[in-house]
Amino acid sequence: NAGVTQTPKFRVLKTGQSMTLLCAQDMNHEYMYWYRQDPGMGLRLIHYSVGEGTTAKGEVPDGYNVSRLKKQNFLLGLESAAPSQTSVYFCASSYDWGTKNIQYFGAGTRLSVL
Amino acid sequence: GQQVMQIPQYQHVQEGEDFTTYCNSSTTLSNIQWYKQRPGGHPVFLIQLVKSGEVKKQKRLTFQFGEAKKNSSLHITATQTTDVGTYFCASNAGGTSYGKLTFGQGTILTVHP
Repeated sequence: NAGVTQTPKFRVLKTGQSMTLLCAQDMNHEYMYWYRQDPGMGLRLIHYSVGEGTTAKGEVPDGYNVSRLKKQNFLLGLESAAPSQTSVYFCASSYDWGTKNIQYFGAGTRLSVL
Repeated sequence: GQQVMQIPQYQHVQEGEDFTTYCNSSTTLSNIQWYKQRPGGHPVFLIQLVKSGEVKKQKRLTFQFGEAKKNSSLHITATQTTDVGTYFCASNAGGTSYGKLTFGQGTILTVHP
């Protein structure tokens, strides 16, 4: 009963390096989301996907790219990391787009960019 | 875009005291969801309110949705140390973006034993 699994849990990058965060869900959910959490700013949506092969921009998409090649996986990429991308990243999934859009979150990835 | 403002940002209480966090919007909300995030953890869904004036209870937690559907509150009676964490409200965006949630900034609750 894994739910939503994020890897890695922690990562330290140097400015300009690239990395990919992986999110995997085993609940057969159609909808998946990437958020970043910064102190005092709540959770801000980076990108989301309404199904396999589809992605869309959220509130703060700049500097990030995503892919959803398989229904169960949602990847978040940083092509050239910047210190402003130091944050905690959460992936979430849901089974409904309407009034039953309850989101299930992964444990998070804590990223530091030096 | 739609915004939900949450107050207070921080709340420190003695164990046994009550706690309330408020969520406000300038526009009518389709729904309100509440999530709890334990320190070092991830957000976990608590409840959803949809109807105007709706009140729901979960043990010591009482959730309300305003009559005008522009505000909501979460009240905890007789706090315990297990209530420590950050409480977020969230609401679905409207129209074709309905499935996207907009989160409030969160209220960080500290409970002193």
